[in-house]
Amino acid sequence: KAGVTQTPRYLIKTRGQQVTLSCSPISGHRSVSWYQQTPGQGLQFLFEYFSETQRNKGNFPGRFSGRQFSNSRSEMNVSTLELGDSALYLCASSLGGWNTEAFFGQGTRLTVV
Amino acid sequence: AQSVAQPEDQVNVAEGNPLTVKCTYSVSGNPYLFWYVQYPNRGLQFLLKYITGDNLVKGSYGFEAEFNKSQTSFHLKKPSALVSDSALYFCAVRDIHSGGYNKLIFGAGTRLAVHP
Repeated sequence: KAGVTQTPRYLIKTRGQQVTLSCSPISGHRSVSWYQQTPGQGLQFLFEYFSETQRNKGNFPGRFSGRQFSNSRSEMNVSTLELGDSALYLCASSLGGWNTEAFFGQGTRLTVV
Repeated sequence: AQSVAQPEDQVNVAEGNPLTVKCTYSVSGNPYLFWYVQYPNRGLQFLLKYITGDNLVKGSYGFEAEFNKSQTSFHLKKPSALVSDSALYFCAVRDIHSGGYNKLIFGAGTRLAVHP
């Protein structure tokens, strides 16, 4: 069974640009969450989607947005990039119940210059 | 608010010795607790979870964790450490009050170094 796939693995963008990251969950998983990982702030929750609906949103500015498609694939978008957006962005998928574990992708390393 | 704390930034242990990585939690209601491991430039790998039931939970790669309700702890253990266990370990709690299923609150992480 294929795991969670994130593309691209690495990105370099310039301040002010926008970026779209993609996540394909494990087959059958309907819940997809996104996290930002930085050395200073650790792992922080961005948002969660379940059956194409945003169920949760973390404490990030409106420049961070996401969506989920009918096949459960998800994208997140960051507009007007700032240097501080440089991070590892991780996607996790799960079946969606309280007692189920989340499985993470390899992440997308975003560098803003 | 739900939170987890990992009091040690780094744990050093000799290969073959037992290891413990500490985690304490603060939740309202029943805790849903998880341990993940992260190798360099990789995502997080699931090790084990506590939902309910036995206080000793067995997971992947020989790891286990002990849930202690009175001490609000969920320490990760392994009887005999391997050099290949060297990695960054995260304890997490599921935020069940957020309206979704998949919001995890992570500790700061503990770097485990196993020396030959």
